[in-house]
Amino acid sequence: RKEVEQDPGPFNVPEGATVAFNCTYSNSASQSFFWYRQDCRKEPKLLMSVYSSGNEDGRFTAQLNRASQYISLLIRDSKLSDSATYLCVVIANQGGKLIFGQGTELSVKP
Amino acid sequence: EPEVTQTPSHQVTQMGQEVILRCVPISNHLYFYWYRQILGQKVEFLVSFYNNEISEKSEIFDDQFSVERPDGSNFTLKIRSTKLEDSAMYFCASSEYVLAGGWQETQYFGPGTRLLVL
Repeated sequence: RKEVEQDPGPFNVPEGATVAFNCTYSNSASQSFFWYRQDCRKEPKLLMSVYSSGNEDGRFTAQLNRASQYISLLIRDSKLSDSATYLCVVIANQGGKLIFGQGTELSVKP
Repeated sequence: EPEVTQTPSHQVTQMGQEVILRCVPISNHLYFYWYRQILGQKVEFLVSFYNNEISEKSEIFDDQFSVERPDGSNFTLKIRSTKLEDSAMYFCASSEYVLAGGWQETQYFGPGTRLLVL
């Protein structure tokens, strides 16, 4: 089983749509959870951390279910500028190394 | 806003040659990392470095790889004898501190060095 597994993409949606990304992780001892965004041929950039209580940042909402080892990201009212690959990222131990999922590509069309 | 910088942005080398990839982490950061991303694949951890020594390394980080912090600002990744399969984007990252229990301050990534081994 992959350490971090994401929905295969790509997701093609019209502007204004709501889109949801799902992610599962295999290590139940994982400590920290994040969503990163990666534009084509660029470095990953932190979008948001994910907390057990769920958290929201503008149009973005992240949820964590530790029992199911499941993480989600919801984007509401999607914009053209949201087009990117979304990476689910987990830290499994105190060393701080990031474990990345394969990423899900999102393409928002006019 | 402070940022991680990497040089060169692109490097082309012949198989068997040594390459050194350079990174300047954010100045008050204490933890440094190298990751790589082969084209079309996921980002993979290579090594973490703290207090002038390796904290953790992956299976990818074999004897051909080494890291060094030669002065107070640079953090380098050396590949001694490059192979075709070393062709990838190499990202340096740094973070301010790691809290006990695994929670961690954000890792900031540099723009990457694209390495092509011919």
